[in-house]
Amino acid sequence: NAGVTQTPKFRILKIGQSMTLQCTQDMNHNYMYWYRQDPGMGLKLIYYSVGAGITDKGEVPNGYNVSRSTTEDFPLRLELAAPSQTSVYFCASSLPPRGGFNYGYTFGSGTRLTVV
Amino acid sequence: GENVEQHPSTLSVQEGDSAVIKCTYSDSASNYFPWYKQELGKGPQLIIDIRSNVGEKKDQRIAVTLNKTAKHFSLHITETQPEDSAVYFCAASRDTGGFKTIFGAGTRLFVKA
Repeated sequence: NAGVTQTPKFRILKIGQSMTLQCTQDMNHNYMYWYRQDPGMGLKLIYYSVGAGITDKGEVPNGYNVSRSTTEDFPLRLELAAPSQTSVYFCASSLPPRGGFNYGYTFGSGTRLTVV
Repeated sequence: GENVEQHPSTLSVQEGDSAVIKCTYSDSASNYFPWYKQELGKGPQLIIDIRSNVGEKKDQRIAVTLNKTAKHFSLHITETQPEDSAVYFCAASRDTGGFKTIFGAGTRLFVKA
């Protein structure tokens, strides 16, 4: 059982370049999320999806885009990379809420991105 | 806006001692409170959670307590071991009025052998 798989693990981008962070899960979770984690800080939600074809903005969506064409995949696109996007990016997935309660997340191992 | 405050930011204990991490949330609609452990170079891992209809939950050496009136919840680790050293995050979540989960800033726990 792979869980949530993120690629690449590390990447260095030059200012203005673009890239896609890949995320795939094999648990058939409807809900998927992208977070960024800055040094010594908590997790900030970038985008989330409640199912294939449905995405919505989180707290810090500027400079990012997502798509959700399948249940398994939830790629994050960075256009025109900026130094402020240097961070560790985590993808996560979860079951949908039931009985009014959310469920915990399964996180991937992260992508460490540096923009220079 | 809503937030989750987590204390302390750093905690150092001797092996075998207990460790307590505390979180306070502001959104009174929050009803699900997970705790995550993040080891160096890895993603956070869910270790225990509690729902608002329960006041306490225990799983071996870890336990979580919830005080809804005070909007306060805590993680308790007993008989700490060196492998408990990690960063711990609390979170507060609700499903009503739109999806929202807010994470605390994290507590770095050091367990000294």
